[in-house]
Amino acid sequence: SAVISQKPSRDICQRGTSLTIQCQVDSQVTMMFWYRQQPGQSLTLIATANQGSEATYESGFVIDKFPISRPNLTFSTLTVSNMSPEDSSIYLCSAPGQGGNEQFFGPGTRLTVL
Amino acid sequence: GDSVTQMEGPVTLSEEAFLTINCTYTATGYPSLFWYVQYPGEGLQLLLKATKADDKGSNKGFEATYRKETTSFHLEKGSVQVSDSAVYFCALSERGFNKFYFGSGTKLNVKP
Repeated sequence: SAVISQKPSRDICQRGTSLTIQCQVDSQVTMMFWYRQQPGQSLTLIATANQGSEATYESGFVIDKFPISRPNLTFSTLTVSNMSPEDSSIYLCSAPGQGGNEQFFGPGTRLTVL
Repeated sequence: GDSVTQMEGPVTLSEEAFLTINCTYTATGYPSLFWYVQYPGEGLQLLLKATKADDKGSNKGFEATYRKETTSFHLEKGSVQVSDSAVYFCALSERGFNKFYFGSGTKLNVKP
């Protein structure tokens, strides 16, 4: 299994500001994934972060709002830009396990935008 | 496209009751199927998985069987405990791809 950590675990931010969330994996992985979980909802994939190339965004998510970095095979960041209260969610990163067909998740970052 | 449908919750049971959470899927290929659990205030944990038809995944007393003929992967446990109270997500991933499709989640409340 992969062990994934995220920072910060939670934050309260003001409207119009930006927050960068960090995700660290304990092993090298080609792909990492960023999800949003709105209150009481399921997970929605934001983007796939590939090392050495631009992130691939899902429909409804754009790079200007959610820029992603992937500087190496164990680390990624997601920035939530120009935040509004509608961005209040849990943001989770994930990575495949060694077997390749399962995903392991970080503990999530609980974001509240006032 | 691929999708996962779960029974709506919340599901409320007494301790030691039998649990079933229904999950059906739509997929174009040969998916792997998963159940994840999310305890209050935590991230998702992989509970069990099955990678091909008729496989049974099991863990911590939970089990689910990959039924291709009914496109289902229902989660069962013979005797639930208060500590099983959580949200359960059914998910699929097409073989060879890393993209996951999640169901809407089913909240389970177990009362002592």
